[in-house]
Amino acid sequence: AQSVTQLDSQVPVFEEAPVELRCNYSSSVSVYLFWYVQYPNQGLQLLLKYLSGSTLVKGINGFEAEFNKSQTSFHLRKPSVHISDTAEYFCAVSGGSNYKLTFGKGTLLTVNP
Amino acid sequence: DAGVIQSPRHEVTEMGQEVTLRCKPISGHNSLFWYRQTMMRGLELLIYFNNNVPIDDSGMPEDRFSAKMPNASFSTLKIQPSEPRDSAVYFCASSWRGPDSGNTIYFGEGSWLTVV
Repeated sequence: AQSVTQLDSQVPVFEEAPVELRCNYSSSVSVYLFWYVQYPNQGLQLLLKYLSGSTLVKGINGFEAEFNKSQTSFHLRKPSVHISDTAEYFCAVSGGSNYKLTFGKGTLLTVNP
Repeated sequence: DAGVIQSPRHEVTEMGQEVTLRCKPISGHNSLFWYRQTMMRGLELLIYFNNNVPIDDSGMPEDRFSAKMPNASFSTLKIQPSEPRDSAVYFCASSWRGPDSGNTIYFGEGSWLTVV
């Protein structure tokens, strides 16, 4: 079985501040890890993914995430956020031959001027 | 290349009516998923198809829900009869499942269903 915990349900920040959205996972097999973003009234868009190789993964819109196997974490970061980054962010995991993508509950990032 | 295409985008229907949601996956993808999103339960996998065959429907809530994939480019999710508690956003998603593909799944824009 696999699971994902997003530690913060809401993260308010000011524009141009750095942000970190936390994600921890559990899985009994090697994992693939994903971050998706959902803007209001839209579908889920893939931000970035970790499949193998370098533990630092860069995605779209200036976001990056670091896979930490020992801490079973995959935190999402951006050094300077914009108003347009306001959205819900979902961490997800799948593992090995398990086709299922298990999602966390989501973190609502609100960027204030 | 076009993404996953869903229709309708919005549907308002009365309790007891039949609802049919449609999905066209990304061309070349061999896996298709139906997810449901609600405030209470988050994102739930309803059913998964691989090569047009249903592999896992354990997430389908009850017999009122059914899904079909008659060919590689089309799938439907049907609710009959619909109930107010079925109100949710229904997402279709697709992926290429193969060696080292990483199970990367791409989502459609969703169908917003309201049952009154």
